[in-house]
Amino acid sequence: GENVEQHPSTLSVQEGDSAVIKCTYSDSASNYFPWYKQELGKRPQLIIDIRSNVGEKKDQRIAVTLNKTAKHFSLHITETQPEDSAVYFCAASDNYGQNFVFGPGTRLSVLP
Amino acid sequence: GAVVSQHPSRVICKSGTSVKIECRSLDFQATTMFWYRQFPKQSLMLMATSNEGSKATYEQGVEKDKFLINHASLTLSTLTVTSAHPEDSSFYICSAERTGTGELFFGEGSRLTVL
Repeated sequence: GENVEQHPSTLSVQEGDSAVIKCTYSDSASNYFPWYKQELGKRPQLIIDIRSNVGEKKDQRIAVTLNKTAKHFSLHITETQPEDSAVYFCAASDNYGQNFVFGPGTRLSVLP
Repeated sequence: GAVVSQHPSRVICKSGTSVKIECRSLDFQATTMFWYRQFPKQSLMLMATSNEGSKATYEQGVEKDKFLINHASLTLSTLTVTSAHPEDSSFYICSAERTGTGELFFGEGSRLTVL
């Protein structure tokens, strides 16, 4: 089955700096890669996603890149703000959602 | 965006009682829903996959007689924690997959406290 690894497990950055979180997956059949942000005690919220027919996607300060050959995808947050502090989860899935697997999460702290 | 509603958000019960948690997709159909348990500062732990009209698939180590799952329609799945004990106290979250897309949306979560 699918296995998703995520690094780093914790990340601290100064406000205004960039943050990068990387995930790797094992199943070449996976073709959908979402990222979720979870604030303390709240539900995970989808912040950006990418499908395997695209190499990069950007939404304001957030971008995701995908390397299908290497089976890894990364989340990039630029100009970080304190409200970006949260736990971020990557995931890998196929179109049918039957192999939806989460990474272990990265706790991001943006220091003022 | 797609909305998933989960109720109750908080429940406190006595040991030995059963608690039902509902998960509804409000504006889309969800053939598949997932139930997770989350301990403080840890990742989501998948408990079971719920498919509409069929029996749920439980992850290894999850007692199916303890955590009853019913997915009676394309918009509703329920998790019943039977004969709850203090060690069942946790944050339970559901998610619903928009049919055929792989896109997953989460409920608000339910914090269960068993006294």
